Amino acid sequence: GAVVSQHPSRVICKSGTSVKIECRSLDFQATTMFWYRQFPKQSLMLMATSNEGSKATYEQGVEKDKFLINHASLTLSTLTVTSAHPEDSSFYICSARTLRRFSYEQYFGPGTRLTVT
Amino acid sequence: AQSVTQLGSHVSVSEGALVLLRCNYSSSVPPYLFWYVQYPNQGLQLLLKYTTGATLVKGINGFEAEFKKSETSFHLTKPSAHMSDAAEYFCAVIRPNSGGSNYKLTFGKGTLLTVNP
Repeated sequence: GAVVSQHPSRVICKSGTSVKIECRSLDFQATTMFWYRQFPKQSLMLMATSNEGSKATYEQGVEKDKFLINHASLTLSTLTVTSAHPEDSSFYICSARTLRRFSYEQYFGPGTRLTVT
Repeated sequence: AQSVTQLGSHVSVSEGALVLLRCNYSSSVPPYLFWYVQYPNQGLQLLLKYTTGATLVKGINGFEAEFKKSETSFHLTKPSAHMSDAAEYFCAVIRPNSGGSNYKLTFGKGTLLTVNP
């Protein structure tokens, strides 16, 4: 149980285009989803937290207009990287938390490798 | 604010040897503590967690960790390393955000474990 999927697993796009990454909780309902960014050989950096039906809360320094997050249902959240540039190339990982009150367990997706050329 | 320090960005052991990955935390309130493992180009998998109760927690793949409040530590151990244990390991602690109910993980910088034959 508690499986989180991400699609696509890898994407290459040209500079200036937009890319959408999907994150789905397959066998549970996720009230809260998290988006992380990970640079090579570094830790995960939290970008934003999203609750179903609400606007995402972005961490300091993360551009809201560049990284659009939508959490339209209890099983789906999307991250859109708008007008991507080579410096946006990174490994993006989503994570989902279950509906249980005071739940603290997060389940992670397999990640999406974005390369902007 | 809570933080996590992982001592040693790289640990190398021989197959069959003891694995010890160090994690220290700082927290103004009793924390929840986690160890995650990440294999190359994959998301994170929960190894074990400490919330309350017994301070020695056992996880998957033969790993265990002991919460020592007096030392503010949560070191990860495994008696005998296996080649398949080679991966990146992250220690993490829960901290509440400004909203109070949305607990967010704070990660350490990670420790790369290599296992030599």
